Amino acid sequence: QVQLVESGGGVVQPGRSLRLSCAASGFTFSNFDMHWVRQAPGKGLEWVALMSYDAKKEYYADSVKGRFTISRDNSRNTLYLQMNSLRAEDTAVYYCARVRYCSGDSCYLRKDLDYWGQGTLVTVSS
Amino acid sequence: QSVLAQPPSVSGAPGQRVTISCTGSNSNIGAGYDVHWYQQLPGTAPKLLMYDNRNRASGVPDRFSGSKSGTSASLAITGLQAEDEADYYCQSYDTSLNTIFGGGTKVTVL
Repeated sequence: QVQLVESGGGVVQPGRSLRLSCAASGFTFSNFDMHWVRQAPGKGLEWVALMSYDAKKEYYADSVKGRFTISRDNSRNTLYLQMNSLRAEDTAVYYCARVRYCSGDSCYLRKDLDYWGQGTLVTVSS
Repeated sequence: QSVLAQPPSVSGAPGQRVTISCTGSNSNIGAGYDVHWYQQLPGTAPKLLMYDNRNRASGVPDRFSGSKSGTSASLAITGLQAEDEADYYCQSYDTSLNTIFGGGTKVTVL
């Protein structure tokens, strides 16, 4: 069965860095595009970043552009989110999620997220 | 506020029908992009509920249905049950903003 397990969350001071990981299993990771989505305490879902299956394309929300970097290691079936210059407003549960498989030019941009991990909490506080 | 507008809350008695709207614009839903829906039970991760406007995800009961028209989409729950009490989010694509979510709607079963 499809499993996505996030790790790497914790408490970090403003301005510092943190790297999140998402370990995938139960499917051919290298065939699927992947998202990071976050949810601040008591708030709604906010899209963070998207990476194509082959790591050739990446997309970011304006709120994290220039500070966060999404990457993947298909040999390790793992997705990453490098978060630099963290701010208090980055405090949230971070989820990784798989894009439903599709074929077609950049179709992954428009597809649903069919599997989600359980999330990892990042708290930015001094 | 979110690019996709949802009512903050809806409620209904067991057995009733409730609908959740998701209103966008000509740069997202109105441009023809599909709408997807997620259910988030208290304290858990979101789960895919509906995809491509009207297709139920695996295991989702047929009490749930989706539709799309113009710049809006809707999720309907008929025969409301206590287990349906959750937060519901719509999602689509925007030509400027990429992936977008609605602000979420809390469904309360009275």
